[in-house]
Order: sequence, then structure tokens, then C-alpha cells
Amino acid sequence: NAGVTQTPKFQVLKTGQSMTLQCAQDMNHEYMSWYRQDPGMGLRLIHYSVGAGITDQGEVPNGYNVSRSTTEDFPLRLLSAAPSQTSVYFCASRIGVSGNTIYFGEGSWLTVV
Amino acid sequence: AQRVTQPEKLLSVFKGAPVELKCNYSYSGSPELFWYVQYSRQRLQLLLRHISRESIKGFTADLNKGETSFHLKKPFAQEEDSAMYYCALRSSGGTSYGKLTFGQGTILTVHP
Repeated sequence: NAGVTQTPKFQVLKTGQSMTLQCAQDMNHEYMSWYRQDPGMGLRLIHYSVGAGITDQGEVPNGYNVSRSTTEDFPLRLLSAAPSQTSVYFCASRIGVSGNTIYFGEGSWLTVV
Repeated sequence: AQRVTQPEKLLSVFKGAPVELKCNYSYSGSPELFWYVQYSRQRLQLLLRHISRESIKGFTADLNKGETSFHLKKPFAQEEDSAMYYCALRSSGGTSYGKLTFGQGTILTVHP
């Protein structure tokens, strides 16, 4: 049981490049989400999914796309990277909307130059 | 809209001193509140939730609906308590049911 696995851990992108942050969980959790962590801003919700085939926007969705084709995977796509997207990204999952315990990935450090 | 405010970005105390990390919230319904902790080089993890009224690692937090606060307290801080602490609110109903909002985080440093 690996929990929540994120890849890559570190990435440097040039402005305008695209990339996908991968997230997988092996706990059969329905609810998955992506956050970004910035100094002084805390954790802000980018996108979330309440189950396979269902996604919705969080607080800061602009510049990001997600999909949920399976229960296990919830990739986050940056379509055209901008320096403002330099951040630490966390994927998280919980059993359902009312699940009390959130399981976080280790984080992905992204720098856009 | 729901909001969580942690007014202190940084908090420093000496070992053995009491510590209080402040959290205030804004929410129109009945809030569900949590404290999450991130130790150095570790994942963010749940510390405690208000509904269980538990004490974890000596920490307690009481929901004060009158003051809309959920401060985290420990009577005698230890060096291993040094970490980033996040207060979080989960909406309990409506169209944003289950949405979790985090505060800005407080970095606690406990000096020897």
C-alpha cells in the first residue's frame, strides 16, 4: 500500500512549455484533489474530483487541466507554463466527500523560468 | 464563502513553554475543523479534528463558535513539535459540501 504517489518530485520548465504532474493512489479513494502551496498563501485548491469521470474547479484553476479516467489516477496538466505557476504541488485523496482523513502525496516542486 | 485565517506566519517558543497557534474561520454553516501538520521532509498529515475532541501528541484544540476560533494549544512544547501547521475547514453542506479550505499556515519553531 503506497498511499498517494506523485511524480515527478522536481521539475524545471521554460515559460510556455507544457507538462503533466502524475498522481496515483491505491486506497480506492473516490475523492482526489490538487493543491498548490505558496509562501504566505497556504494551500490553495486547484481542481478536485469526487469520482471517476467527475472533476470540478477549486479556487485557482486557471492554467491547469485535470481528468479522472480511473479511480486511481488524477493527473494535473499545465498547458502553457508561466512563472506564476512556480510552486509546490500536492495531490491528496480521501475515501469520499465526508472522509475525515486526507492523505497527501510528497509534493512536486515546480520551477518555471 | 468559507475562509480560514492563521494570523501568525512564524511562531517561536522555547522548549517547555506553552504554545498556542491561532486559527479563525468564517463560515455560515456548522463548521468541521481540522489541524494538519507537516514535519520537515515529511508529508502533510492530519493532527486532530474538532469533532473527536482528542489530544494528539499533547495538542488540543477547542472550537469556539462565539469567537469563530479553533486555536491549537500545547502546555509544554517539545523540539519535535517544530513544523508547519495548517488549520483547515471543511464545508458541511450546500453546493461546496466537502470542500476543504486551508489557512496560510504557521511555522512553529521550538528552541532548546
